Amino acid sequence: EDQVTQSPEALRLQEGESSSLNCSYTVSGLRGLFWYRQDPGKGPEFLFTLYSAGEEKEKERLKATLTKKESFLHITAPKPEDSATYLCAVHRSGGGADGLTFGKGTHLIIQP
Amino acid sequence: DGGITQSPKYLFRKEGQNVTLSCEQNLNHDAMYWYRQDPGQGLRLIYYSQIVNDFQKGDIAEGYSVSREKKESFPLTVTSAQKNPTAFYLCASSPTGLYGYTFGSGTRLTVV
Repeated sequence: EDQVTQSPEALRLQEGESSSLNCSYTVSGLRGLFWYRQDPGKGPEFLFTLYSAGEEKEKERLKATLTKKESFLHITAPKPEDSATYLCAVHRSGGGADGLTFGKGTHLIIQP
Repeated sequence: DGGITQSPKYLFRKEGQNVTLSCEQNLNHDAMYWYRQDPGQGLRLIYYSQIVNDFQKGDIAEGYSVSREKKESFPLTVTSAQKNPTAFYLCASSPTGLYGYTFGSGTRLTVV
């Protein structure tokens, strides 16, 4: 059974204090790992897709990395506007268009 | 602008009623999905459709029904058989399922 576990559940940082969010996964044959950002009361916003171990992608203060068992979302010098819930997901094992399995998310708060 | 439109934003259902949530996309995506989000839980897949006139059950399909008569539209009906329908419902689409999904802004359903 596909599993995605995110940690920590919640993280409070001071503005400028860098940190990392973790996503560990168990899936039969990884065909894509996704990171999304979700603001309260809104739909998730796509951030990154990673396909193979060793792959890295960056966008502004965010950098996503992937190993064979987990992915990290590194946040460098965060600002209050980075506060959100960050979701990790993988393609379900059944097939390419069979949907994503999501973790429960990490609720990130950046204090000024 | 291309995107996914969900309506209504808020919906109230009385006990024993069926209600239908609308999802329309103008991205020309083949695959569409319905997810349910509850506090403290990850997104859970209800139904998905890879092509018109075809759809499959996800992990929590009981008490829900869908149709896919047009490529652009994938409405979700929450039936009276769904015993705990209060949740945030998210619709998503993808070109083929192998890429990042685009999400709508969600419908919050409350039983009154």
